[in-house]
Amino acid sequence: DTAVSQTPKYLVTQMGNDKSIKCEQNLGHDTMYWYKQDSKKFLKIMFSYNNKELIINETVPNRFSPKSPDKAHLNLHINSLELGDSAVYFCASSQESAHAYEQYFGPGTRLTVT
Amino acid sequence: QKEVEQDPGPLSVPEGAIVSLNCTYSNSAFQYFMWYRQYSRKGPELLMYTYSSGNKEDGRFTAQVDKSSKYISLFIRDSQPSDSATYLCAMWTGGGNKLTFGTGTQLKVEL
Repeated sequence: DTAVSQTPKYLVTQMGNDKSIKCEQNLGHDTMYWYKQDSKKFLKIMFSYNNKELIINETVPNRFSPKSPDKAHLNLHINSLELGDSAVYFCASSQESAHAYEQYFGPGTRLTVT
Repeated sequence: QKEVEQDPGPLSVPEGAIVSLNCTYSNSAFQYFMWYRQYSRKGPELLMYTYSSGNKEDGRFTAQVDKSSKYISLFIRDSQPSDSATYLCAMWTGGGNKLTFGTGTQLKVEL
């Protein structure tokens, strides 16, 4: 049973397009996260939701919009894609925000913008 | 200067060697110190975490935290080819704050 799953695994698209990445966790966790990992492997938090409420909103372009329909799902919509958006995007979850040290990551979505 | 510094490697060692991976940090408010392992094309997975200073051992892995020096280490004994991965240190101040990751050290254990 996959704990944190993401779809799609690979996404190749052209500049200017709009795309979405979906994430689901079946761990019963309350808190979910989106991270961006660049080509140098640097992992940076983008957003965090606790029980559908946004609790961390790092400085990212407002072309990126997260949405949490329920506490098991966290989606990421990206408008007007740019070359610099090419990266691996990871979803993660933790039992609650007070257990943020123990995060479970999904397999990642490799986004390539051409 | 980044909040968390980590030598990116790559670090190549023979099987059976003792590996030492390290991170330094500048934010004295960090209280939790984690090591994540990331295999190629996979998501990171938590190996160990330590709260405050001290040592923690789990099988072949030992994590050390020296808050006075702002320095953390991960030791891997009897390294195996299956340990070949990127090791990311991460730190957390607690509360509703974010984790801060190092850039990761790529480790290769050769037969």
